Amino acid sequence: DAGITQSPRHKVTETGTPVTLRCHQTENHRYMYWYRQDPGHGLRLIHYSYGVKDTDKGEVSDGYSVSRSKTEDFLLTLESATSSQTSVYFCAISDVTETQYFGPGTRLLVL
Amino acid sequence: GENVEQHPSTLSVQEGDSAVIKCTYSDSASNYFPWYKQELGKRPQLIIDIRSNVGEKKDQRIAVTLNKTAKHFSLHITETQPEDSAVYFCAASKGTFDSWGKLQFGAGTQVVVTP
Repeated sequence: DAGITQSPRHKVTETGTPVTLRCHQTENHRYMYWYRQDPGHGLRLIHYSYGVKDTDKGEVSDGYSVSRSKTEDFLLTLESATSSQTSVYFCAISDVTETQYFGPGTRLLVL
Repeated sequence: GENVEQHPSTLSVQEGDSAVIKCTYSDSASNYFPWYKQELGKRPQLIIDIRSNVGEKKDQRIAVTLNKTAKHFSLHITETQPEDSAVYFCAASKGTFDSWGKLQFGAGTQVVVTP
């Protein structure tokens, strides 16, 4: 597996609390992505980054924000978690070859 | 934006038979088409990909075909084995120069290989 880690791997939180998920890579890849995976929907892009401090929205970005202050770290923040944000979150990285490699995922449960 | 449809949603095959999964895409500018395999509780793993300048690509028991005119691409698995049981996802992208490598995924196909 490519050098990608995600933390935490599991999290239970309450509605209304802020949550931050971290993606860390050791591959020095330029592009980083956050997806959520829900049954019947495949993988849906939340936000992506094409360089340090360069980020943009994906198809399901409402309620999420991101930051990338270093090449190796891409943070996803749920400003005020809702039950609809219960999901499995995957980070992915790629370079100019376009092949995306996925991290191990974070299971988030919002009660 | 791009829309990718994947069929079937579930596929049950006998060990040794072939499995075929088909995806259609909407944006004719898409030029990169990867396939991922995801085992239960694991991360998606790339198994094969194809670019728009190629019509077919093979890797041992796995092959992918691309029909740009019809805007569809298919995954073929021959001589299926129990370890092929997983969820398979297709995806499409317009590449890193036009769309920062963003992938649009299909909804997935659950493949079950029965002995």
